[in-house]
Amino acid sequence: DGGITQSPKYLFRKEGQNVTLSCEQNLNHDAMYWYRQDPGQGLRLIYYSQIVNDFQKGDIAEGYSVSREKKESFPLTVTSAQKNPTAFYLCASSPPGRANTGELFFGEGSRLTVL
Amino acid sequence: GNSVTQMEGPVTLSEEAFLTINCTYTATGYPSLFWYVQYPGEGLQLLLKATKADDKGSNKGFEATYRKETTSFHLEKGSVQVSDSAVYFCALPASGTYKYIFGTGTRLKVLA
Repeated sequence: DGGITQSPKYLFRKEGQNVTLSCEQNLNHDAMYWYRQDPGQGLRLIYYSQIVNDFQKGDIAEGYSVSREKKESFPLTVTSAQKNPTAFYLCASSPPGRANTGELFFGEGSRLTVL
Repeated sequence: GNSVTQMEGPVTLSEEAFLTINCTYTATGYPSLFWYVQYPGEGLQLLLKATKADDKGSNKGFEATYRKETTSFHLEKGSVQVSDSAVYFCALPASGTYKYIFGTGTRLKVLA
């Protein structure tokens, strides 16, 4: 079945450590996104990528980094510079075509807890 | 730029009650409008969408009509079930980019 796979589902990190969250899609979508969700809050955009080897900062990119070396993959690294990384992270993609005419497809999410 | 305002929750209803979750928007032109649902511990999934003014999106008994006169896209369901308990997000595209704008989400709790 086509979809978006995020891993790991749960991750614990010590302060000062970098951690990478995986996002893979087999939907042949061009655009991919990373969102952060905190309890009781909406979604905030971290980074997005329209095509391979290109990505743009979202609203809260500080302390995060991404790469887009393959169309199917858009990993997110949460660095030690991110002051409050404990959150639920959601990866999404959207189909090719004109921007913003299609829906977003989401993964199941990764919950990161900093100990 | 485009924006969306969604009613705050939580909303608590008894089973079979009528549901309305308000969503209003500001936008350049007439972008597609979306409602997403998030069940506990999961990602978001599309509930319904409308691509132009006066369109009605519907799915699983939920409906929303794209009203340009009132710039609204309110979500309604005639008879909610316990299984509808979730967080609901209104969303629209940001003008001229690949970004999407989400409301803050409305938590719905349905009691048996």
